[in-house]
Amino acid sequence: QKEVEQNSGPLSVPEGAIASLNCTYSDRGSQSFFWYRQYSGKSPELIMFIYSNGDKEDGRFTAQLNKASQYVSLLIRDSQPSDSATYLCAVHRGSNYKLTFGKGTLLTVNP
Amino acid sequence: EAGVAQSPRYKIIEKRQSVAFWCNPISGHATLYWYQQILGQGPKLLIQFQNNGVVDDSQLPKDRFSAERLKGVDSTLKIQPAKLEDSAVYLCASSLIAAGGKQETQYFGPGTRLLVL
Repeated sequence: QKEVEQNSGPLSVPEGAIASLNCTYSDRGSQSFFWYRQYSGKSPELIMFIYSNGDKEDGRFTAQLNKASQYVSLLIRDSQPSDSATYLCAVHRGSNYKLTFGKGTLLTVNP
Repeated sequence: EAGVAQSPRYKIIEKRQSVAFWCNPISGHATLYWYQQILGQGPKLLIQFQNNGVVDDSQLPKDRFSAERLKGVDSTLKIQPAKLEDSAVYLCASSLIAAGGKQETQYFGPGTRLLVL
């Protein structure tokens, strides 16, 4: 079992729709969870992080964490073509603050 | 505030040659990370420094890769000799020292694209 798993996609949604990106992780001791966005040919940039079970909202983005199910998701409301990118889920485990990344999900928002 | 700087941005070499990448983190960031990102994959941590000490290098292929962070500021990652499978983007990131067990945000540089022929 991979440490951090994401559906590689591509996930295609129409403009204005809700995009739902999912991530599962294997280590129950994982403490912090991050979503990064990576445009083609660019470096990752942080969108959100979440530490506690439940939802965390920031603008059009909502991160959801369920530690019992070892599941974290990112919802993008009112999706825009500019949201088209690869979304990387990253999990922090261990006291040395090491981040483990998933492969990423490619999102395409169609005008 | 200046971001993470990396150079060169692109490098093409032949297999068995050597190559070096440079990274200057955000001012005041004590933790520096080198990642390898192969096309279609997420970044994989190669080595993590806290100031000038190595925290984690468990995934660094030590027979060919080396890294140093003298004086706890900028860092160099070297590959010698390079193999075809080393073709990837090498990303440098930095963060503040984490406190209270929380992971501090990592800020990534633009990366160096390496092609080994």
